[in-house]
Parts: sequence; structure tokens; C-alpha cells
Amino acid sequence: DSGVTQTPKHLITATGQRVTLRCSPRSGDLSVYWYQQSLDQGLQFLIQYYNGEERAKGNILERFSAQQFPDLHSELNLSSLELGDSALYFCASSAGLVKGEQFFGPGTRLTVL
Amino acid sequence: DQQVKQNSPSLSVQEGRISILNCDYTNSMFDYFLWYKKYPAEGPTFLISISSIKDKNEDGRFTVFLNKSAKHLSLHIVPSQPGDSAVYFCAARGDGSSNTGKLIFGQGTTLQVKP
Repeated sequence: DSGVTQTPKHLITATGQRVTLRCSPRSGDLSVYWYQQSLDQGLQFLIQYYNGEERAKGNILERFSAQQFPDLHSELNLSSLELGDSALYFCASSAGLVKGEQFFGPGTRLTVL
Repeated sequence: DQQVKQNSPSLSVQEGRISILNCDYTNSMFDYFLWYKKYPAEGPTFLISISSIKDKNEDGRFTVFLNKSAKHLSLHIVPSQPGDSAVYFCAARGDGSSNTGKLIFGQGTTLQVKP
């Protein structure tokens, strides 16, 4: 158990819909990262938040957005969903902004039908 | 543009033998490299890391070697055990673009250790 929790574990929805994925970091960790793993792909960095502020963006689609709340949990919002958005979405947390091991949650499997 | 590459999608070894997983990178700005292990239906688990100023780091059965001139790193597992069967991801940090801990991952190598 990494100490990072993600909900829901599975999500099945239709094209055009909007979903919210939730992540609670390890106690004391200030950084939250979101990664996407599509079929046969490695993990692709989406976005990083540190202590409530956005710090880095990867190839995140404009239809996707995220935020980190004062209690440090984070949400990833995916809207106008397309079939190609079906993937595993992982959240990771670390203590610092740059350094420090990243601990991953179990992931949310999103299926868009 | 794939900055971190794991060219072998799969590897099969016999229990007790050495497993060698390879990773190549293109960005010389990377300052830290990590290996993660992933079982099905779980998130990646940190295994071992190495700073770019070192060429070797060892932790029990796991050793990571870094060859900066070749932009190549490898993970050695000795001896291999059936419980090591998983997908192994190589990752790199510090691409010089910004002050962030974001990781850039390879595609992964599926290791199967046969009893």
C-alpha cells in the first residue's frame, strides 16, 4: 500500500460525458502528479500540482483540467469524452517540488463507450 | 518524440539467473533515473534509482548501471525469482524544461521469470 488513494477504481461512461477522478496523496506529501497510461503505452505525464498551485503541464488536452485543494487532495476533470480517452489514470505524490520518490496510487480505469 | 525508450517489450529468464532490463534516453539534461515495477491492477512501485553523477547503485538483488556517454541504463536482478515477474518501467527526471519532478517513462518491459 503506497498510501495514495484513488477513486473510483473503475469508471464506464459514454462519449461526450464528463467525469471527475479523485486522488488523495500520502500524508505530508505536497506534490500531486497525474499520469495517463493508454493501451500498450508507457505512462504519460499530464500535470503536477504543488501545495495547491499548478507547477508543470505535459501533453494534457484542453478538455482535461485538474486542481489541488487546500487539504491537498486533487481532482482530474475530463470532459467531452472521446473513445480515445479510455485509459488508466494514475495519481502519484511526493514530498517535494522536484526531488523525492513518487508514490503511485492504484489507478482509475476509464472506459469510454 | 520518445525521450526514454525500452526497446525490449518482453524478457523471459529462468529462476535463479540474471535478468537484465535495458533503457535508452536521448535528453542529456536528465539528472535522475528510476525504475518502477508494476503488477496488473496495481500502480507502479518504486524499485531503485540513480543520480546522473553516479554510474552504479545497488540495493539487494537489484543493481542499476548508468552509462552517460551512451545514454543508457540497465537494471540487473540477481538472482531472479518468480515473484519478480511484472512490467518494469524506466523513468527519467529533470529534462531541463522547468522546475518540476515530472517523470518521463519508457514503454515498459514485461519480465517473466520461469520456475
